[in-house]
Amino acid sequence: AQSVTQPDIHITVSEGASLELRCNYSYGATPYLFWYVQSPGQGLQLLLKYFSGDTLVQGIKGFEAEFKRSQSSFNLRKPSVHWSDAAEYFCAVGDDAGKSTFGDGTTLTVKP
Amino acid sequence: DTAVSQTPKYLVTQMGNDKSIKCEQNLGHDTMYWYKQDSKKFLKIMFSYNNKELIINETVPNRFSPKSPDKAHLNLHINSLELGDSAVYFCASSYQGQYEQYFGPGTRLTVT
Repeated sequence: AQSVTQPDIHITVSEGASLELRCNYSYGATPYLFWYVQSPGQGLQLLLKYFSGDTLVQGIKGFEAEFKRSQSSFNLRKPSVHWSDAAEYFCAVGDDAGKSTFGDGTTLTVKP
Repeated sequence: DTAVSQTPKYLVTQMGNDKSIKCEQNLGHDTMYWYKQDSKKFLKIMFSYNNKELIINETVPNRFSPKSPDKAHLNLHINSLELGDSAVYFCASSYQGQYEQYFGPGTRLTVT
């Protein structure tokens, strides 16, 4: 069965600083990988996805993620964080049956 | 136009009652999902329907019964509500095979 680990429960960064959120997955085949963001009181919104091809994928709101098969990782990055990026971030892995398994989430706090 | 909508947004009820949550998507997707997000923000899939057929049924008590009258709607009926059912329930939809999911705004269920 697939699984996702987000090692950081809570991360605090200063506005304008760079950000990296970690995600490690376990899946037997080529994974379908996603990052979602959840703002307070809202549903989840897709930031970016990786299915195949270029291992560096660009998403919305200036986010990018890099797929590293050797490390089973799919870390999310942003070069300069804005206060509006404060939210809960979820990494997910999907299987061939269309089922997505989500990590436990990382809460991002942005300091002014 | 709201892509994935849920009603109601808030639901407060007493133990033992029966309640329903409705979900509708206007994206033309053929697959719909129900997720439960607990107080620690852990997100777990409950059910998935593809073209009105149940394709994923995680370990969920029989008190939970999904119903899909057509591929644009997936409702969740809960019998004999318990305190532990208190959570935010999210509906989502996708095209089968593309795996990225679009989430509704959530229904916060509080059982007293």
